[in-house]
Amino acid sequence: DVKVTQSSRYLVKRTGEKVFLECVQDMDHENMFWYRQDPGLGLRLIYFSYDVKMKEKGDIPEGYSVSREKKERFSLILESASTNQTSMYLCASSLSGQGQETQYFGPGTRLLVL
Amino acid sequence: GENVEQHPSTLSVQEGDSAVIKCTYSDSASNYFPWYKQELGKRPQLIIDIRSNVGEKKDQRIAVTLNKTAKHFSLHITETQPEDSAVYFCAASRFGNEKLTFGTGTRLTIIP
Repeated sequence: DVKVTQSSRYLVKRTGEKVFLECVQDMDHENMFWYRQDPGLGLRLIYFSYDVKMKEKGDIPEGYSVSREKKERFSLILESASTNQTSMYLCASSLSGQGQETQYFGPGTRLLVL
Repeated sequence: GENVEQHPSTLSVQEGDSAVIKCTYSDSASNYFPWYKQELGKRPQLIIDIRSNVGEKKDQRIAVTLNKTAKHFSLHITETQPEDSAVYFCAASRFGNEKLTFGTGTRLTIIP
């Protein structure tokens, strides 16, 4: 059974703080993704990674960066948190290749920036 | 890039009736179309998917249809039950591209 975990369920930060969100998967998946979920906007891709140290921008990368030093771990970094980054952040992972597209999601981190 | 539109944004149906959610996509090269269900407070989970070489796929009470010419696909839930209440997301991707582009979601409420 695939397990994707995220470091925090709830987080409260101040404007300007540097914020780290961690995601770990235990199924040796090549691909990992970070989304933010906002009401009426669905799931929007921030960044994804298809291999260690590899990253690609998604649809809304501004204000975010990522790090993937180990295959099982993918970190999302808010360099200087702003109130418009208050949101639910979801991590996901998947295998590579046709027939393996299923993404397995973590439980989410609800971030509030004050 | 791909753009996926999903309708309606909210849907209420009587228990036992059918529900239909529709999505359109813009990239004619897209060939994989999954549907995810997110129950309240839970993570999204895949419930069914379809590839472009198939026009319809069924799994018990749920089915997905695909019209490649019109670039739209739909989720059909029959004999709805209270546990079907959730937010449903459609998505699209093309082979070789690991990204999924999601629709904006449909909140389905089953009225007992």
